[in-house]
Amino acid sequence: SAVISQKPSRDICQRGTSLTIQCQVDSQVTMMFWYRQQPGQSLTLIATANQGSEATYESGFVIDKFPISRPNLTFSTLTVSNMSPEDSSIYLCSVLGSGNTIYFGEGSWLTVV
Amino acid sequence: QKEVEQDPGPLSVPEGAIVSLNCTYSNSAFQYFMWYRQYSRKGPELLMYTYSSGNKEDGRFTAQVDKSSKYISLFIRDSQPSDSATYLCAMRAYTGGFKTIFGAGTRLFVKA
Repeated sequence: SAVISQKPSRDICQRGTSLTIQCQVDSQVTMMFWYRQQPGQSLTLIATANQGSEATYESGFVIDKFPISRPNLTFSTLTVSNMSPEDSSIYLCSVLGSGNTIYFGEGSWLTVV
Repeated sequence: QKEVEQDPGPLSVPEGAIVSLNCTYSNSAFQYFMWYRQYSRKGPELLMYTYSSGNKEDGRFTAQVDKSSKYISLFIRDSQPSDSATYLCAMRAYTGGFKTIFGAGTRLFVKA
């Protein structure tokens, strides 16, 4: 399985600001995803990060709020823009691995105050 | 009706017990079935993965898939306090593109 590193691991942010989360994978992967896990909830897919093109967003998520970059096959960033307390969540980078399974990073714990 | 139903628990068992965790689903297109373990303040860790129906065993863990009943299970034998975590089931189908749905997760507490 791929080793997925996320930065920052946690942060406390002021409302109205933006935070960029970085995801680095130790091998080239075709598909990378960003998920959100709100407190006590399961995982919700935000978008699929496509290398060299715009990300594919799920219903309820828009590029202006969650811009994503994927400059190469091992790296992606997710920005949470104009944050509000409702954005307090774990943001998880994940990749599609062997056997069509999904592997996750450790997550970035975001608290908006 | 949700596509994947999972009892959130919490489920509390004594050390050494056999634990049974379950999910039901409604979409017959699901072909890949996964179980993840998530410790508090950590990302989900893939535990077991099965394709189609049948059983798969890995150490103390056994995953079962019954596609006819749309029901999957994870059994943990000789449970340990270190097994205390949230367990999420996940299912994947190819419907023009891959689609993965996660259950809500079951919180498990194993008491020493």
